[in-house]
Amino acid sequence: AQSVAQPEDQVNVAEGNPLTVKCTYSVSGNPYLFWYVQYPNRGLQFLLKYITGDNLVKGSYGFEAEFNKSQTSFHLKKPSALVSDSALYFCAVRDMEGGATNKLIFGTGTLLAVQP
Amino acid sequence: DAGVIQSPRHEVTEMGQEVTLRCKPISGHNSLFWYRQTMMRGLELLIYFNNNVPIDDSGMPEDRFSAKMPNASFSTLKIQPSEPRDSAVYFCASSLGTSSYEQYFGPGTRLTVT
Repeated sequence: AQSVAQPEDQVNVAEGNPLTVKCTYSVSGNPYLFWYVQYPNRGLQFLLKYITGDNLVKGSYGFEAEFNKSQTSFHLKKPSALVSDSALYFCAVRDMEGGATNKLIFGTGTLLAVQP
Repeated sequence: DAGVIQSPRHEVTEMGQEVTLRCKPISGHNSLFWYRQTMMRGLELLIYFNNNVPIDDSGMPEDRFSAKMPNASFSTLKIQPSEPRDSAVYFCASSLGTSSYEQYFGPGTRLTVT
């Protein structure tokens, strides 16, 4: 079965330090991978995606993600965290089961807390 | 670009009442998704449409839930009768579908059933 896992419920980081939010996936075929951010009382906001090409993908607000096929991972990174980055982050993969669909399978989310 | 529009933003109703949530997708998008988010169950896909046709409704909890998409610019999610366990935030999202699969979410409707 296809799935995406976010092994950490919460990540704590000090402002100015680099941050990493982890995501691993399991899909058949080549994965389409996505990161979303959700601020309190808001909808999910698209950050970046990987479909093909360069393994390092850059997105909004200075975030980037690294696709690693051998480790089936797509970790979200930022060189220097801001307090305003504190939010809930979701990893997602396109559902390819039973033929390609437009559905995304979302992880359970990781709460990022950036301390000033 | 107005983004995905949902109404109402908040809904408080009594158990047994009918609730209708509304969504206007981004113009030109041909896929529309309804999600429900709760602390206990996280984000759940309820149903999705391609070109106004329901493709997968396996996430709809029970017959009390129904969704329609009469045209490319409007969709509704109806709960009849509503129950307290339906209290959640309901999101609508849309995507281009072909070759571009990222979904764009609306602000959500916070439903409280008392």
